[in-house]
Order: sequence, then structure tokens, then C-alpha cells
Amino acid sequence: EAQVTQNPRYLITVTGKKLTVTCSQNMNHEYMSWYRQDPGLGLRQIYYSMNVEVTDKGDVPEGYKVSRKEKRNFPLILESPSPNQTSLYFCASSLSNWNEQFFGPGTRLTVL
Amino acid sequence: GNSVTQMEGPVTLSEEAFLTINCTYTATGYPSLFWYVQYPGEGLQLLLKATKADDKGSNKGFEATYRKETTSFHLEKGSVQVSDSAVYFCARHGSSNTGKLIFGQGTTLQVKP
Repeated sequence: EAQVTQNPRYLITVTGKKLTVTCSQNMNHEYMSWYRQDPGLGLRQIYYSMNVEVTDKGDVPEGYKVSRKEKRNFPLILESPSPNQTSLYFCASSLSNWNEQFFGPGTRLTVL
Repeated sequence: GNSVTQMEGPVTLSEEAFLTINCTYTATGYPSLFWYVQYPGEGLQLLLKATKADDKGSNKGFEATYRKETTSFHLEKGSVQVSDSAVYFCARHGSSNTGKLIFGQGTTLQVKP
């Protein structure tokens, strides 16, 4: 089954404790993105990747890092999480810049 | 600017009522337009899309027409069901090579029996 998977689905952590949210897709897609969803703001792009070893900032990259060492995986790293990073995070992938995006199930992160 | 604006929710309807969720966008050029749906506790799923002016996207009884004159992409359904209760997001492609979708703020639809 074609899908985007994320782990964990739920995470509660404390300020400053490094964490990684994994994302994997099995569709051989070139593009992958991370979004955060906040009430009243819709989804905003954090980082994106056009291919292996090619990543760039989206609209709200502060406090986040990403890597793309393999085509299928695109982890999101929070080196020192803060409470304002409490949000619902979605990973997405697409065949190209102009194709539809497929979304993962989301990761609800709470930073205390 | 580059933005997408949706009507504010929540929208509460009775089963079999007619649904319209308004969406307007700003853009240079003619980006592809999308409606995504998010059911409770799930990720976003593509509901329908339109890639050029006057295209009509349709799926599961939902329709939306790409209107360049009014820069709109309103979502409609003739007869909603309880199972349609969800959050609906209008989106357009970002204009740069970022693979980005620009989303509206989402509209919550609740359908009561």
C-alpha cells in the first residue's frame, strides 16, 4: 500500500530535550515536506527536500532541522524544543513539485 | 501576496443539506488548486483538484470549479452525510520550486443526523 508513515504519533516532552520525528514514504517520491498545523493558521511548511541531500527552508524553519540521506526518509529534528513548538506535524511527499501531495497521519507534539 | 482564504467555521448542517465552503486565493499566474479533507484523528487526504481555469474537480459527490475571474474555488456538495463531518482545507501550489502547498485556515464541518 502506498503510504507516508510518521513516528511517533504522539509525543510529550520537556523543553530542551532533543527529539526526532521520523517520516518514510514508499512511493519513490522526489519531494518531501514537513508542515505544522496550528489552529486558525492552517498548515505551514517548515522544510522541504527536492531529492537526496537537497533540503531547504520553508516558511517557518526556526528551531528545526532536517536531513535527507535516503530518498524514502525525511526526519524532522528539534535540537532544543520549546513550548511554542507544541503543534501537530505532518510529513508529505509528492512525485514532483507540481504533483499532488500525500500526507502522513500526523504527529501531535507537546513541549512542556 | 500569495494566500488562500476560506470561510470561517464551524459550519453545522443537517443531513442531506446543501454545502458550500468558500475559498478564494491570490496568486501570480494560475496555480493548481486543491481541496483536502482531514477526518478526526487522521492526516490530510486529497479530496479533489483542478489544474487550470474552468476545470471542475469532483470526488465523492463534492465539486469545485476553478474560477479565474473571481479567483475562487468554492467547495460544494448537494446532500451532505454525517460521515462528511471533517475539517476541509483549500490549498494552492506555491509559486516557487519548493513543493509547497499554501493552505487556507481550514473549515470544520459538522453534519447532524
